[in-house]
Amino acid sequence: QKEVEQDPGPLSVPEGAIVSLNCTYSNSAFQYFMWYRQYSRKGPELLMYTYSSGNKEDGRFTAQVDKSSKYISLFIRDSQPSDSATYLCAMSLNSGNTPLVFGKGTRLSVIA
Amino acid sequence: NAGVTQTPKFRILKIGQSMTLQCTQDMNHNYMYWYRQDPGMGLKLIYYSVGAGITDKGEVPNGYNVSRSTTEDFPLRLELAAPSQTSVYFCASSLAGSVAYEQYFGPGTRLTVT
Repeated sequence: QKEVEQDPGPLSVPEGAIVSLNCTYSNSAFQYFMWYRQYSRKGPELLMYTYSSGNKEDGRFTAQVDKSSKYISLFIRDSQPSDSATYLCAMSLNSGNTPLVFGKGTRLSVIA
Repeated sequence: NAGVTQTPKFRILKIGQSMTLQCTQDMNHNYMYWYRQDPGMGLKLIYYSVGAGITDKGEVPNGYNVSRSTTEDFPLRLELAAPSQTSVYFCASSLAGSVAYEQYFGPGTRLTVT
């Protein structure tokens, strides 16, 4: 079983739709959970991070972590064509120098 | 601040050739990383460094070498290039003490080995 599983998509939605992106993981020791956004032919950039379980909201984006189910989600409300990108989940054991473990990424297209 | 810069942007190598991918950051970050990204495969860590003079292997280090003589620079050396090393290579850096050790990525180097 891979440490981090993420459906690669592609996912295509109409503008204004609510998008749900998900990752599952196997290592219950992961504490920090992040979502990176990667536009085509660019490097990834951090979108959101959460520590342990719970929700975090930032504008149209909401990150959720359910450690009991080893499941994390990113919701995008009122999706825009500019949200079209690949979204990678990432997680780490602690906030120290432990490297991140990335999912494969989900490619999202928001159609105007 | 330029952030993380990588050179070259593109490179084609013949099998058996060697090259160095350059990475420089101007944010005074102590942590630096090298990843490779294959289509549909996410990011895999090659090597990382927690400071000048200290490096450690990641998930896929075979065929690569690194050095970290300064805080700013973290070059990645490919010896005896093989077709399996065709990939996009990303360098990243982060600052110890930030809450989630946010990693800042460079624009990538697209390498083809034929």
